[in-house]
Amino acid sequence: GQQLNQSPQSMFIQEGEDVSMNCTSSSIFNTWLWYKQDPGEGPVLLIALYKAGELTSNGSLTAQFGITRKDSFLNISASIPSDVGIYFCAGRSNIDSGYALNFGKGTSLLVTP
Amino acid sequence: ETGVTQTPRHLVMGMTNKKSLKCEQHLGHNAMYWYKQSAKKPLELMFVYSLEERVENNSVPSRFSPECPNSSHLFLHLHTLQPEDSALYLCASSQGAGQGGNTQYFGPGTRLTVL
Repeated sequence: GQQLNQSPQSMFIQEGEDVSMNCTSSSIFNTWLWYKQDPGEGPVLLIALYKAGELTSNGSLTAQFGITRKDSFLNISASIPSDVGIYFCAGRSNIDSGYALNFGKGTSLLVTP
Repeated sequence: ETGVTQTPRHLVMGMTNKKSLKCEQHLGHNAMYWYKQSAKKPLELMFVYSLEERVENNSVPSRFSPECPNSSHLFLHLHTLQPEDSALYLCASSQGAGQGGNTQYFGPGTRLTVL
């Protein structure tokens, strides 16, 4: 598999601020996924994207499948303390063999009250 | 119960012990996965089962032995582990595998410590 380029690596923000993170790949993807992982827990699927240009929301979260199909972003509006965690992007390209998803290294989000 | 469940949530074992991790998915999926997550490392895919048949085994040491008795259950049998095997072991499931099973749902994981 390939390593996705996810940024930023970490963010330290105040409650109420908006957050934006993104992920890029070296090849065209047919699926982009965004997960959140709390310490000691498994990743929880937040949003799944399957089509270039697709914009999907889940509560205060919004994610988009980039038009070039090589990138995706996740926005969190008006962050709250429970948004703290590590956010991972993941996905697959048409040329991927095997069964593994490609994962980013994660964005660690800290929110202060 | 919904989603993907894993037991136990925490496990401490000695290097000579034999233990098993259990995963159950309640999503009607037909593919299941074992991943290993070590500190500061990306998720490593260990095994994949599709329709109860093992379809991928990523050079995992033989001290890890998977078993998939049916499409809802997945086990990881452990024996003579090493301290470096301490990690969070995650189970996941999807409808379809490979290009047909891109959306994987994860369980809460088993935190394994090998003494």
